[in-house]
Amino acid sequence: SQQGEEDPQALSIQEGENATMNCSYKTSINNLQWYRQNSGRGLVHLILIRSNEREKHSGRLRVTLDTSKKSSSLLITASRAADTASYFCATDRMDGNKLTFGTGTQLKVEL
Amino acid sequence: DAEITQSPRHKITETGRQVTLACHQTWNHNNMFWYRQDLGHGLRLIHYSYGVQDTNKGEVSDGYSVSRSNTEDLPLTLESAASSQTSVYFCASSPGPYTEAFFGQGTRLTVV
Repeated sequence: SQQGEEDPQALSIQEGENATMNCSYKTSINNLQWYRQNSGRGLVHLILIRSNEREKHSGRLRVTLDTSKKSSSLLITASRAADTASYFCATDRMDGNKLTFGTGTQLKVEL
Repeated sequence: DAEITQSPRHKITETGRQVTLACHQTWNHNNMFWYRQDLGHGLRLIHYSYGVQDTNKGEVSDGYSVSRSNTEDLPLTLESAASSQTSVYFCASSPGPYTEAFFGQGTRLTVV
């Protein structure tokens, strides 16, 4: 069963706008990770946030984690056409050393 | 540069045939994983390994097997291919517990 569920399933924005994607999960976690997948390619790691962290930044990416609500959000600021991709959250549970992925958000950034 | 490679990138096979997908990583990572990706399901874990001679079943392991005879390779075998196993398969590795994973480019398998 899926541990993470992303919302929305699809998002279309204009270049320069911010994009926000949300992820909800079900069980206790050690960390939560976000990955990007360009069409026809493998997944690329973006950022990892541990369960004792609330916010993390990496370049134009900002990730928040609310363990009480079992949710996370990924914000991409000043989006570019090159950000067009699918974005997945993945949880690394306390009882396992393996990632469980959500179904992903398809982001389209238009010029 | 260290990397993780999958082969073949595309394969068409017939129902009932045995198929093996290769995964090779040069990072010397202990952890290796196989996922399948299908529309509407995201990535689902098939099998994983934490080291040589260690293999574990994931959530969708029926009809698949793996073996880990060295650190670098984790081949995935479909014992008797079925149309339901048509999918894109991704191999991944990670250096240890609770760390990021590195993914291969994927193998698109079609079972006819």
